[in-house]
Amino acid sequence: KAGVTQTPRYLIKTRGQQVTLSCSPISGHRSVSWYQQTPGQGLQFLFEYFSETQRNKGNFPGRFSGRQFSNSRSEMNVSTLELGDSALYLCASSFGQGENSPLHFGNGTRLTVT
Amino acid sequence: AQSVTQLGSHVSVSEGALVLLRCNYSSSVPPYLFWYVQYPNQGLQLLLKYTTGATLVKGINGFEAEFKKSETSFHLTKPSAHMSDAAEYFCAVRPGYSTLTFGKGTMLLVSP
Repeated sequence: KAGVTQTPRYLIKTRGQQVTLSCSPISGHRSVSWYQQTPGQGLQFLFEYFSETQRNKGNFPGRFSGRQFSNSRSEMNVSTLELGDSALYLCASSFGQGENSPLHFGNGTRLTVT
Repeated sequence: AQSVTQLGSHVSVSEGALVLLRCNYSSSVPPYLFWYVQYPNQGLQLLLKYTTGATLVKGINGFEAEFKKSETSFHLTKPSAHMSDAAEYFCAVRPGYSTLTFGKGTMLLVSP
Protein backbone atom coordinates (compact mmCIF):
# COMPACT_ATOMS: atom_id res chain seq x y z
CA LYS A 1 0.00 0.00 0.00
CA ALA A 2 1.51 3.32 -1.00
CA GLY A 3 2.15 5.82 1.76
CA VAL A 4 1.34 9.51 1.93
CA THR A 5 2.91 11.31 -1.02
CA GLN A 6 3.85 14.97 -0.88
CA THR A 7 5.04 17.00 -3.82
CA PRO A 8 7.34 18.69 -4.37
CA ARG A 9 9.96 17.56 -1.82
CA TYR A 10 11.89 20.83 -2.02
CA LEU A 11 10.84 24.32 -3.00
CA ILE A 12 12.62 27.65 -3.07
CA LYS A 13 10.51 30.79 -3.35
CA THR A 14 11.04 34.51 -3.05
CA ARG A 15 9.38 36.67 -0.44
CA GLY A 16 6.01 37.92 -1.68
CA GLN A 17 5.37 34.98 -3.98
CA GLN A 18 2.72 32.33 -3.42
CA VAL A 19 3.12 28.56 -3.27
CA THR A 20 0.93 25.47 -3.53
CA LEU A 21 1.84 22.18 -1.90
CA SER A 22 0.20 18.88 -2.75
CA CYS A 23 -0.62 15.80 -0.71
CA SER A 24 -1.97 12.42 -1.79
CA PRO A 25 -3.20 10.39 1.19
CA ILE A 26 -3.08 6.65 1.65
CA SER A 27 -5.76 4.96 -0.39
CA GLY A 28 -8.99 4.77 1.61
CA HIS A 29 -8.04 7.51 4.04
CA ARG A 30 -10.54 10.34 4.15
CA SER A 31 -8.91 12.68 6.64
CA VAL A 32 -5.92 14.87 5.80
CA SER A 33 -4.07 17.15 8.20
CA TRP A 34 -1.29 19.65 7.60
CA TYR A 35 1.48 20.63 10.01
CA GLN A 36 4.29 23.17 9.86
CA GLN A 37 7.57 22.09 11.43
CA THR A 38 10.29 24.57 12.36
CA PRO A 39 13.26 24.25 14.74
CA GLY A 40 11.92 26.99 17.00
CA GLN A 41 8.21 26.21 17.13
CA GLY A 42 8.21 22.47 16.57
CA LEU A 43 5.15 20.90 14.98
CA GLN A 44 2.25 23.28 14.64
CA PHE A 45 -1.17 22.29 13.38
CA LEU A 46 -2.39 24.12 10.29
CA PHE A 47 -5.70 22.50 9.30
CA GLU A 48 -7.59 19.25 9.03
CA TYR A 49 -9.95 18.16 6.27
CA PHE A 50 -12.45 15.34 6.20
CA SER A 51 -14.57 14.53 3.17
CA GLU A 52 -13.75 17.91 1.56
CA THR A 53 -14.75 19.88 4.66
CA GLN A 54 -12.34 21.77 6.87
CA ARG A 55 -12.98 20.39 10.35
CA ASN A 56 -10.29 22.17 12.34
CA LYS A 57 -7.97 25.10 11.80
CA GLY A 58 -4.85 26.10 13.65
CA ASN A 59 -3.73 29.55 14.66
CA PHE A 60 -2.20 30.72 11.38
CA PRO A 61 -2.91 33.87 9.38
CA GLY A 62 -5.33 33.86 6.47
CA ARG A 63 -2.40 33.66 4.04
CA PHE A 64 -2.45 29.94 4.76
CA SER A 65 -5.30 28.09 3.14
CA GLY A 66 -6.11 24.60 2.04
CA ARG A 67 -8.63 22.41 0.38
CA GLN A 68 -9.49 18.77 -0.12
CA PHE A 69 -10.79 17.21 -3.28
CA SER A 70 -13.36 14.47 -3.73
CA ASN A 71 -10.60 11.88 -4.11
CA SER A 72 -9.22 12.98 -0.70
CA ARG A 73 -6.16 14.59 -2.21
CA SER A 74 -5.33 17.88 -0.57
CA GLU A 75 -3.50 21.07 -1.36
CA MET A 76 -2.36 23.91 0.82
CA ASN A 77 -1.55 27.38 -0.40
CA VAL A 78 0.51 30.11 1.15
CA SER A 79 0.20 33.57 -0.36
CA THR A 80 2.50 36.56 0.05
CA LEU A 81 5.33 34.45 1.40
CA GLU A 82 7.41 35.73 4.30
CA LEU A 83 10.87 34.64 5.39
CA GLY A 84 9.32 33.08 8.48
CA ASP A 85 7.30 30.69 6.34
CA SER A 86 10.45 28.69 5.67
CA ALA A 87 9.71 25.31 7.17
CA LEU A 88 9.04 21.66 6.59
CA TYR A 89 5.36 21.22 5.75
CA LEU A 90 4.02 17.80 6.67
CA CYS A 91 0.83 16.22 5.46
CA ALA A 92 -0.75 13.32 7.31
CA SER A 93 -3.71 11.13 6.53
CA SER A 94 -5.92 8.88 8.63
CA PHE A 95 -8.84 6.58 7.98
CA GLY A 96 -11.19 8.32 10.38
CA GLN A 97 -11.57 11.76 11.81
CA GLY A 98 -11.60 12.65 15.49
CA GLU A 99 -11.15 9.02 16.47
CA ASN A 100 -8.13 7.08 17.64
CA SER A 101 -7.05 6.66 14.05
CA PRO A 102 -3.33 7.38 14.01
CA LEU A 103 -1.92 9.83 11.52
CA HIS A 104 0.35 8.55 8.78
CA PHE A 105 2.81 11.19 7.63
CA GLY A 106 4.42 11.94 4.31
CA ASN A 107 8.08 12.94 4.02
CA GLY A 108 7.16 16.59 3.79
CA THR A 109 7.86 19.53 1.53
CA ARG A 110 10.86 21.63 2.53
CA LEU A 111 10.01 25.27 1.69
CA THR A 112 12.74 27.87 1.70
CA VAL A 113 11.76 31.52 1.32
CA THR A 114 14.54 33.92 0.31
CA ALA B 1 -7.03 22.70 25.65
CA GLN B 2 -4.52 19.89 25.59
CA SER B 3 -0.75 20.15 25.87
CA VAL B 4 2.29 17.89 25.87
CA THR B 5 5.57 18.37 27.71
CA GLN B 6 8.63 16.35 26.81
CA LEU B 7 11.37 16.62 29.39
CA GLY B 8 14.78 17.07 27.81
CA SER B 9 15.32 18.31 24.29
CA HIS B 10 18.31 15.95 24.02
CA VAL B 11 18.93 12.57 25.65
CA SER B 12 22.24 10.74 25.27
CA VAL B 13 22.70 7.03 25.93
CA SER B 14 25.32 4.42 25.16
CA GLU B 15 24.56 1.55 22.85
CA GLY B 16 22.98 -1.24 24.91
CA ALA B 17 21.75 1.10 27.65
CA LEU B 18 18.17 1.72 28.69
CA VAL B 19 16.30 4.38 26.77
CA LEU B 20 13.81 6.52 28.71
CA LEU B 21 12.07 9.46 27.05
CA ARG B 22 9.63 11.36 29.24
CA CYS B 23 6.25 12.72 28.26
CA ASN B 24 3.59 14.40 30.37
CA TYR B 25 0.28 15.60 29.02
CA SER B 26 -2.72 17.61 30.02
CA SER B 27 -6.18 16.93 28.68
CA SER B 28 -9.69 17.76 29.78
CA VAL B 29 -11.03 14.44 28.49
CA PRO B 30 -9.55 10.93 28.33
CA PRO B 31 -6.87 11.21 25.68
CA TYR B 32 -5.46 9.08 22.95
CA LEU B 33 -1.66 9.13 23.23
CA PHE B 34 0.98 8.50 20.60
CA TRP B 35 4.72 8.34 20.13
CA TYR B 36 6.23 9.15 16.75
CA VAL B 37 9.82 8.99 15.53
CA GLN B 38 11.40 11.19 12.87
CA TYR B 39 14.60 10.35 11.04
CA PRO B 40 16.51 13.10 9.19
CA ASN B 41 14.77 14.40 6.09
CA GLN B 42 11.77 12.19 6.65
CA GLY B 43 8.25 12.47 7.97
CA LEU B 44 7.00 11.06 11.26
CA GLN B 45 6.55 7.34 11.77
CA LEU B 46 4.15 5.96 14.35
CA LEU B 47 5.92 3.97 17.08
CA LEU B 48 2.94 3.12 19.27
CA LYS B 49 -0.40 4.37 20.50
CA TYR B 50 -2.58 4.17 23.58
CA THR B 51 -6.33 4.29 23.16
CA THR B 52 -8.08 2.28 25.87
CA GLY B 53 -7.44 -0.97 27.70
CA ALA B 54 -3.99 -2.19 28.66
CA THR B 55 -1.87 0.64 29.98
CA LEU B 56 1.42 -0.90 28.83
CA VAL B 57 1.64 -0.52 25.09
CA LYS B 58 4.19 -2.23 22.88
CA GLY B 59 5.31 -0.69 19.63
CA ILE B 60 7.71 -1.25 16.80
CA ASN B 61 11.49 -1.62 17.09
CA GLY B 62 11.30 -2.85 20.71
CA PHE B 63 9.81 0.33 22.17
CA GLU B 64 7.04 0.39 24.72
CA ALA B 65 5.23 3.02 26.76
CA GLU B 66 3.11 2.99 29.87
CA PHE B 67 0.06 5.17 30.37
CA LYS B 68 -0.19 6.39 33.97
CA LYS B 69 -3.35 8.37 34.45
CA SER B 70 -2.54 9.46 38.00
CA GLU B 71 0.75 10.94 36.83
CA THR B 72 -0.59 12.12 33.45
CA SER B 73 2.47 10.51 31.90
CA PHE B 74 3.23 8.37 28.87
CA HIS B 75 6.97 7.69 29.02
CA LEU B 76 8.70 5.78 26.21
CA THR B 77 11.24 3.08 27.01
CA LYS B 78 13.47 0.56 25.29
CA PRO B 79 15.61 -1.91 27.27
CA SER B 80 18.66 -1.74 25.02
CA ALA B 81 19.52 1.11 22.66
CA HIS B 82 20.83 0.51 19.15
CA MET B 83 22.72 2.98 16.99
CA SER B 84 19.78 2.93 14.59
CA ASP B 85 17.52 4.37 17.32
CA ALA B 86 19.20 7.76 17.00
CA ALA B 87 16.41 10.08 15.85
CA GLU B 88 13.95 12.64 17.16
CA TYR B 89 10.98 11.38 19.13
CA PHE B 90 7.65 13.13 19.52
CA CYS B 91 4.91 12.48 22.05
CA ALA B 92 1.42 13.53 20.99
CA VAL B 93 -2.04 13.71 22.52
CA ARG B 94 -5.45 13.70 20.87
CA PRO B 95 -8.37 14.16 23.24
CA GLY B 96 -11.54 12.86 21.67
CA TYR B 97 -12.39 14.73 18.50
CA SER B 98 -9.78 17.41 18.93
CA THR B 99 -6.63 17.80 16.87
CA LEU B 100 -3.35 16.01 17.48
CA THR B 101 -1.01 18.12 19.61
CA PHE B 102 2.70 17.35 19.65
CA GLY B 103 5.39 17.94 22.20
CA LYS B 104 8.56 19.81 21.23
CA GLY B 105 10.43 16.57 20.61
CA THR B 106 13.42 14.83 22.16
CA MET B 107 16.54 14.10 20.15
CA LEU B 108 17.98 10.72 21.11
CA LEU B 109 21.73 10.41 20.67
CA VAL B 110 23.30 6.93 20.84
CA SER B 111 27.03 6.56 21.27
CA PRO B 112 29.01 3.37 20.63
